[in-house]
Amino acid sequence: GAVVSQHPSRVICKSGTSVKIECRSLDFQATTMFWYRQFPKQSLMLMATSNEGSKATYEQGVEKDKFLINHASLTLSTLTVTSAHPEDSSFYICSARTGALNTEAFFGQGTRLTVV
Amino acid sequence: KQEVTQIPAALSVPEGENLVLNCSFTDSAIYNLQWFRQDPGKGLTSLLLIQSSQREQTSGRLNASLDKSSGRSTLYIAASQPGDSATYLCAVEADNFNKFYFGSGTKLNVKP
Repeated sequence: GAVVSQHPSRVICKSGTSVKIECRSLDFQATTMFWYRQFPKQSLMLMATSNEGSKATYEQGVEKDKFLINHASLTLSTLTVTSAHPEDSSFYICSARTGALNTEAFFGQGTRLTVV
Repeated sequence: KQEVTQIPAALSVPEGENLVLNCSFTDSAIYNLQWFRQDPGKGLTSLLLIQSSQREQTSGRLNASLDKSSGRSTLYIAASQPGDSATYLCAVEADNFNKFYFGSGTKLNVKP
């Protein structure tokens, strides 16, 4: 299957600082990328969907000014958690798709964010 | 709103046993259903994708079926191995293209 690389895998930051997480599709062009959040022992919750070159579409309840998403190229999307708080600590996972109908969604390895 | 349920939440079996994981969804108007595997602290690995027009897909020891009208899918794992131990998630693509709803997963432990 296709490879989606997410970086960093773990990050610890201080409250009030910003953290950037990168998601890259290594061997295909990803028209659409997705960002999910996963709380311990819970399933994935979609945060936002981004299409290359356009603004991200955020799910209800997700603060777009806090979770900045940029999808500047067909192989890279970034999620920036701004002014991080301890309650932002979570596991963040990105996903990418070529855009063609009925194709698989491929996921990155995830980023464990801890805000202290 | 689409809701996805997975039963059981956890399952422990001896090595070599065949097993079935269940996934149900409330709205049959789906595009696709995809099964994933998640190892602790890791991302998701895609196992099988079933399009809404298909009834089953097979990959090695894995077989996934889909009954869209009843809102059910099963993942059958043959001759389970300790390496199969992980959390298995099913996700349905519904509402619109690219909108995935995930179940809470079945945590599988295969004992040597």
